[in-house]
Amino acid sequence: AQSVAQPEDQVNVAEGNPLTVKCTYSVSGNPYLFWYVQYPNRGLQFLLKYITGDNLVKGSYGFEAEFNKSQTSFHLKKPSALVSDSALYFCAVRDTSYNTDKLIFGTGTRLQVFP
Amino acid sequence: DGGITQSPKYLFRKEGQNVTLSCEQNLNHDAMYWYRQDPGQGLRLIYYSQIVNDFQKGDIAEGYSVSREKKESFPLTVTSAQKNPTAFYLCASTTWGWTEAFFGQGTRLTVV
Repeated sequence: AQSVAQPEDQVNVAEGNPLTVKCTYSVSGNPYLFWYVQYPNRGLQFLLKYITGDNLVKGSYGFEAEFNKSQTSFHLKKPSALVSDSALYFCAVRDTSYNTDKLIFGTGTRLQVFP
Repeated sequence: DGGITQSPKYLFRKEGQNVTLSCEQNLNHDAMYWYRQDPGQGLRLIYYSQIVNDFQKGDIAEGYSVSREKKESFPLTVTSAQKNPTAFYLCASTTWGWTEAFFGQGTRLTVV
């Protein structure tokens, strides 16, 4: 079965420092991978996706993610964190197995950026 | 502006009652989804629909029902059979080819 794992419940980083939020995946075939961000009591906002092509994907708000096939990872990164980046981040994979077509989400990682 | 509208934002239900959560989209998307969010568990798929008049169960469909009579609308009914309905419910829609999934702002359901 397709799945994604986010090994860290929370990531703490000082403002101005680089941040990384980790995601590993398990899929058969070529993965469609996504990152979403959620602010309190709000829906999810799309950040970026990997479908094919360049392993480094650039997205919204200065975020980027690196697709690594050998390590089955898709870590979210930002060179310089802002306090306003504090939110809940979800990694997701598209699952088309068994005649389905749906997004499977990780459990989420809470990012806390301290001033 | 195009988007997905969920209503109401907050909903309170007495035990034993059915309630219906609304989800409307004007993005002309074919596929629509309902997810449930609980703290520490991420998002879990309840039901999804790829096309009008057709829908499939997700991972946690028990105690829920849906309909898809119009392309724009995908209401979710939380029935009295759902033993623990208190949660945050999110509706989403996608295009063919999965450029991205768009989400509504969510409905927080509380059983009182």
